[in-house]
Amino acid sequence: EAEVAQSPRYKITEKSQAVAFWCDPISGHATLYWYRQILGQGPELLVQFQDESVVDDSQLPKDRFSAERLKGVDSTLKIQPAELGDSAMYLCASSRRLALSTDTQYFGPGTRLTVL
Amino acid sequence: KQEVTQIPAALSVPEGENLVLNCSFTDSAIYNLQWFRQDPGKGLTSLLLIQSSQREQTSGRLNASLDKSSGRSTLYIAASQPGDSATYLCALNSRERGADGLTFGKGTHLIIQP
Repeated sequence: EAEVAQSPRYKITEKSQAVAFWCDPISGHATLYWYRQILGQGPELLVQFQDESVVDDSQLPKDRFSAERLKGVDSTLKIQPAELGDSAMYLCASSRRLALSTDTQYFGPGTRLTVL
Repeated sequence: KQEVTQIPAALSVPEGENLVLNCSFTDSAIYNLQWFRQDPGKGLTSLLLIQSSQREQTSGRLNASLDKSSGRSTLYIAASQPGDSATYLCALNSRERGADGLTFGKGTHLIIQP
């Protein structure tokens, strides 16, 4: 069964350093999402791509976060510089987006970021 | 702005019991509602998706209902097993966003005692 792949699974960094996360969606899924989940909370959408274009990045802290999906397949989320409050699970999801009423998002295992 | 609330925040029951998890939302203009399961330190697994036009969906021992008029959904788990222990998240795909990122509740942490 096809899955969303993410790496690394765990990342520990010091504040003010740069970090990057990678996501490979399920083959054929045109839509890719990045969510952030703080411990004890539900995930919150950071950015959504349709192919290589950004559809929604209204919740992305653009002064320090950036995301790209250059060829419309895999994607990278970057934080520079990292802050203590960025410690969280970063989840990637993908979907076919054929019809909004029936569209299921498939999630990867996530990257657990700890900022010291 | 869509807000999603899940009650209870935590629940512990003996194995074999039937149980109900609750989800309420403030804006009924939705495309669908989904229930996910999350094991500790892991990603999310989709359990059930209810379209806006539907009232319920069933999968095995799971049954999810949707009442848009009252802004409520329930997830019913029959004959609970220790393997059902996890956090259950309710999420909505709302029309207000324009795009279709999900709005999540904080989840219900479920423990099934052997």
